[in-house]
Amino acid sequence: AQKITQTQPGMFVQEKEAVTLDCTYDTSDPSYGLFWYKQPSSGEMIFLIYQGSYDQQNATEGRYSLNFQKARKSANLVISASQLGDSAMYFCAMREGPGDYKLSFGAGTTVTVRA
Amino acid sequence: DSGVTQTPKHLITATGQRVTLRCSPRSGDLSVYWYQQSLDQGLQFLIQYYNGEERAKGNILERFSAQQFPDLHSELNLSSLELGDSALYFCASSVADRGISGANVLTFGAGSRLTVL
Repeated sequence: AQKITQTQPGMFVQEKEAVTLDCTYDTSDPSYGLFWYKQPSSGEMIFLIYQGSYDQQNATEGRYSLNFQKARKSANLVISASQLGDSAMYFCAMREGPGDYKLSFGAGTTVTVRA
Repeated sequence: DSGVTQTPKHLITATGQRVTLRCSPRSGDLSVYWYQQSLDQGLQFLIQYYNGEERAKGNILERFSAQQFPDLHSELNLSSLELGDSALYFCASSVADRGISGANVLTFGAGSRLTVL
């Protein structure tokens, strides 16, 4: 079963506007971590933001914020004030429990920022 | 520069051949992960090493093998290559071998793009 679901294959956003990328996850473990990565056309994977399942507040890192809704098992990424350089593929990932070693990734969402 | 070094960046080879991909983790990181990214399969976890020992195996084919050396660099060996092995292979590293702490983020290298003709 898919552990991470990203339902939006592609999105367009106007420069300077905000965009929300959806991510839902599936786990029965009460302890888990959620990560977002950015992959520009050059190919590298860039870490953006992290949210732990026990964190009381939603994570923020500059223009990135994570809308964490635990009961709904969703961890949406919000990019505010979009810039042309934000055009990339964005991946949501999860690591379960203290005993899990790997990150499981979603299929990704392509974001294109228009001038 | 993420601090994780992967070589080669690009590799073109023929079916049936064998290749070795190399990864040097970020300074201070003991754990190395290998991932395969293809259009049809997405990002797939292959294998993880921590301080020289194998920690976890994912969807790694028997034709593939890996190891982590005492200096912590890692190599992924791909043999009897098939057309379907064409993909972007990522190495990532982290401080610890597991855990959900935000401090234990995986840092990725730039990837090695393998094309099998």
